Amino acid sequence: LAKTTQPISMDSYEGQEVNITCSHNNIATNDYITWYQQFPSQGPRFIIQGYKTKVTNEVASLFIPADRKSSTLSLPRVSLSDTAVYYCLVGVYNNNDMRFGAGTRLTVKP
Amino acid sequence: NAGVTQTPKFQVLKTGQSMTLQCAQDMNHEYMSWYRQDPGMGLRLIHYSVGAGITDQGEVPNGYNVSRSTTEDFPLRLLSAAPSQTSVYFCASSRQGHEQFFGPGTRLTVL
Repeated sequence: LAKTTQPISMDSYEGQEVNITCSHNNIATNDYITWYQQFPSQGPRFIIQGYKTKVTNEVASLFIPADRKSSTLSLPRVSLSDTAVYYCLVGVYNNNDMRFGAGTRLTVKP
Repeated sequence: NAGVTQTPKFQVLKTGQSMTLQCAQDMNHEYMSWYRQDPGMGLRLIHYSVGAGITDQGEVPNGYNVSRSTTEDFPLRLLSAAPSQTSVYFCASSRQGHEQFFGPGTRLTVL
């Protein structure tokens, strides 16, 4: 099973760029890397997904080095509303090996 | 589109009671999953389905049953509720290879 390791928590200030790194040393060839965001009392919400190199969308960027053993979610210019838990998942979609870890609790301060 | 809907939002059961958590999606997604989330923890996969008539076990399937008779619906049945099943339950759906869409969750307390 592809296990992921993330920091338990991070603090930041409004307007800063936040980078959250996820380690996944035993990632398999067919695995994708997916990040979700979860606010209290809500279901997770998809942020971004990638396989290698760099992926960017309107809310975040995902950086994946060549060996794919880690990945970094980058949130540009965070605001208070970005305070949430961020989960890194590795696996083939909806296979039995998809796992949510404990996630990273990001707190954005004014 | 309503997306993924779950009922009820809240439920209190006594130990030994059974109940069904309902999940429906109107996006014609093939994949549907049930997760549970305990306080301060990530989501754990209970059961999932890759299409109507096909279900499989996830990480923590014991004490739960599922069926998938239609593409839209994926109910989760608790056979004999136990306090250890007190949790928040999320249903999700997706197209193959794409992101999962989650419902608002059902908060279950078993006394």
